[in-house]
Amino acid sequence: SQQGEEDPQALSIQEGENATMNCSYKTSINNLQWYRQNSGRGLVHLILIRSNEREKHSGRLRVTLDTSKKSSSLLITASRAADTASYFCATDGGGSNYKLTFGKGTLLTVNP
Amino acid sequence: DAGVTQSPTHLIKTRGQQVTLRCSPKSGHDTVSWYQQALGQGPQFIFQYYEEEERQRGNFPDRFSGHQFPNYSSELNVNALLLGDSALYLCASSSDTKETQYFGPGTRLLVL
Repeated sequence: SQQGEEDPQALSIQEGENATMNCSYKTSINNLQWYRQNSGRGLVHLILIRSNEREKHSGRLRVTLDTSKKSSSLLITASRAADTASYFCATDGGGSNYKLTFGKGTLLTVNP
Repeated sequence: DAGVTQSPTHLIKTRGQQVTLRCSPKSGHDTVSWYQQALGQGPQFIFQYYEEEERQRGNFPDRFSGHQFPNYSSELNVNALLLGDSALYLCASSSDTKETQYFGPGTRLLVL
């Protein structure tokens, strides 16, 4: 079963616009990670946010985490055509549960 | 510094055959996890190896087995292949099971 659920499933924007993707999960976590995947290839790690953190920035990326609502958001500012990809959130299971559980992802298309 | 590497990149097998996929973790990493990603889905956790032992297993049948070697590299074996085993198989490594998992480019398996 998939714990993380990304929303929306697909998002199409113009270059320069901001893109926001959301993720919800069901169980307690140690951390939440966001990954990017281009054309069915390997996953590229974007950012990790721990359960005791509320917000984290990395370059044009901003991630928030609300553990009370079991949700996270990924904001990509000033998007570029090269940002076109699928984006996944992944949660561990908390405690000694080591596996990452992924949602189905958000397909982001940035039009030039 | 080499990242996670996987071989082969593509593989075609027929039903009932057996397959072995290989993974070399990122330098300094001692934990290897394997994931299966069907088309249009997020990755699904198969199992994780640490100190040459299977530490945790996902909801996959015994046809899926693995091994970790003393140099931390790992193999994924799938016996009695089914059409439904066609997928992208991803290997991920980490230096701590609670931290970032770095993914390889994947092996795309097609079962005919």
